Amino acid sequence: GNSVTQMEGPVTLSEEAFLTINCTYTATGYPSLFWYVQYPGEGLQLLLKATKADDKGSNKGFEATYRKETTSFHLEKGSVQVSDSAVYFCALSRGDYKLSFGAGTTVTVRA
Amino acid sequence: DTGVSQDPRHKITKRGQNVTFRCDPISEHNRLYWYRQTLGQGPEFLTYFQNEAQLEKSRLLSDRFSAERPKGSFSTLEIQRTEQGDSAMYLCASSFSGQDGYTFGSGTRLTVV
Repeated sequence: GNSVTQMEGPVTLSEEAFLTINCTYTATGYPSLFWYVQYPGEGLQLLLKATKADDKGSNKGFEATYRKETTSFHLEKGSVQVSDSAVYFCALSRGDYKLSFGAGTTVTVRA
Repeated sequence: DTGVSQDPRHKITKRGQNVTFRCDPISEHNRLYWYRQTLGQGPEFLTYFQNEAQLEKSRLLSDRFSAERPKGSFSTLEIQRTEQGDSAMYLCASSFSGQDGYTFGSGTRLTVV
């Protein structure tokens, strides 16, 4: 079946540090890949997505590249801010509806 | 466009009681989804509707759970005879058919005591 494995947290960083959150997936065919973010007390928000191999999704300074050869979709940001503190979820969909999520990675950025 | 609204935000109930949650999707969206999220885990798919038709239900959705979307607009999720294991965040989301990714509501946090 479809599954997503993400880097375990929590991750604690200082402001302006480089952030990487690893995500690998198992799926047949060519899934679409997503990163969602959940800020404290809020619902999940779509951060970025990629729908085919070698696509790069980007938003708010975050980037992730769909790597079919390594079945990965790692999230990166070059310089984090305190406001980036949140839980980040990697997810995939086969077809255009049901999402399979990873367990989430809690990121805390200190000033 | 006010996003996806869920009501209530929090619900505390005694074991054995019935509870009902409501979700109002983005008005133009024809698909509506319910997910459940437990502490430290990612959301798990429960069910989804296209317009008023319930097209798929997860095995996680036991006979005590029922979801409806009577007019293809808002949806309700009812849990009968609640158990402590039902304590979780229940998330609703909506999308257009064929759209990758959806818009989530803020969720309803259920605590069964």
